[in-house]
Amino acid sequence: DAGVTQSPTHLIKTRGQQVTLRCSPKSGHDTVSWYQQALGQGPQFIFQYYEEEERQRGNFPDRFSGHQFPNYSSELNVNALLLGDSALYLCASSLDSAGGTGELFFGEGSRLTVL
Amino acid sequence: GESVGLHLPTLSVQEGDNSIINCAYSNSASDYFIWYKQESGKGPQFIIDIRSNMDKRQGQRVTVLLNKTVKHLSLQIAATQPGDSAVYFCAEGMNTGFQKLVFGTGTRLLVSP
Repeated sequence: DAGVTQSPTHLIKTRGQQVTLRCSPKSGHDTVSWYQQALGQGPQFIFQYYEEEERQRGNFPDRFSGHQFPNYSSELNVNALLLGDSALYLCASSLDSAGGTGELFFGEGSRLTVL
Repeated sequence: GESVGLHLPTLSVQEGDNSIINCAYSNSASDYFIWYKQESGKGPQFIIDIRSNMDKRQGQRVTVLLNKTVKHLSLQIAATQPGDSAVYFCAEGMNTGFQKLVFGTGTRLLVSP
């Protein structure tokens, strides 16, 4: 049973570019959340997708957008990259019917470096 | 705003010792708290959680204590092993069904053989 998988694992971009990160949730999960983890910090919630809709959003600008596909996989897009966007981007999946405390399963992340 | 923080950024212990990692939280409305372990190059891994109506919960070698009076959370690891070396985060959430977690900055646990 595959867990949460993310791609790419590492990537380097320059300021102003755009990036797309991908996530496949754990088998049987229908909800995907994205977190940004700056070096030495805890993860910060970006947004969550359920039934192909953005259901909740953290304090991130509109440059951060996402999508969820019918197979529950998800993409995170970041436009007009800034140096401060350099971070580990984590995808977490869960089962909505498990309720508010349903366990989140995290992927290993995509390490983005913006030069 | 909401915040979850940790008192100690690094904790060094000897193998076999008991470890205690502390966390302060500010949102008294949080419904549950979770401890995560993050090893280098990996995503956070669930350790144990506790609901706000509890003050103690035990797992395998781990115990979480919640003191709502002083808004304090701790993770106790018994007989710490080198494999426990990692960064530990506390996180809090609410029963919205959306599982939006607020994480602290983390404590690095270093276990010496």
